[in-house]
Amino acid sequence: DGGITQSPKYLFRKEGQNVTLSCEQNLNHDAMYWYRQDPGQGLRLIYYSQIVNDFQKGDIAEGYSVSREKKESFPLTVTSAQKNPTAFYLCASNGQGVQPQHFGDGTRLSIL
Amino acid sequence: GDSVTQMEGPVTLSEEAFLTINCTYTATGYPSLFWYVQYPGEGLQLLLKATKADDKGSNKGFEATYRKETTSFHLEKGSVQVSDSAVYFCALSDQNGNNRLAFGKGNQVVVIP
Repeated sequence: DGGITQSPKYLFRKEGQNVTLSCEQNLNHDAMYWYRQDPGQGLRLIYYSQIVNDFQKGDIAEGYSVSREKKESFPLTVTSAQKNPTAFYLCASNGQGVQPQHFGDGTRLSIL
Repeated sequence: GDSVTQMEGPVTLSEEAFLTINCTYTATGYPSLFWYVQYPGEGLQLLLKATKADDKGSNKGFEATYRKETTSFHLEKGSVQVSDSAVYFCALSDQNGNNRLAFGKGNQVVVIP
């Protein structure tokens, strides 16, 4: 079945460490997105990419980085510059035009 | 910029009760509107959508009507079940060509048997 796969489901980060969250989709979607979810805050956009080798900052990009080398993959790196990384991270994708976004099941990141 | 406002606080109700979750929006142009549902520990699933004024989206007994005059997209269900317990998010699609979504803060719905 087509869908979005995020891994790992749970991730722990030590102080000063970078960690990378994986997002893979087999829906042949051009656009991909990363959101951060905190309790009571809804979803906030970190980065998005509309085509391969191109991406834009969202509303809270500081302390994060991304790459889009393949259409299917959009990994997110949480760098040591992100001082409050504990959150639930969601990846999404959609096709051309005004299409609903499809979401993965998320990665929960915690600090050791 | 574009924004979505959902009513404050969780919603607790008994099985078979009527559910309403309010959603209003601020946007330039004519956005598309969505309701998403999130079950514990999972990502978001599209529940329903409407792409133009007066459209009614419906799915699994839930309905919402795109009201341009009141800039609203309230979610309703006539008789909730325990399995409807989840967090519900209202969202609108950016009309600036980049397809970004603006989300409301979400409402936790708890249905008691």
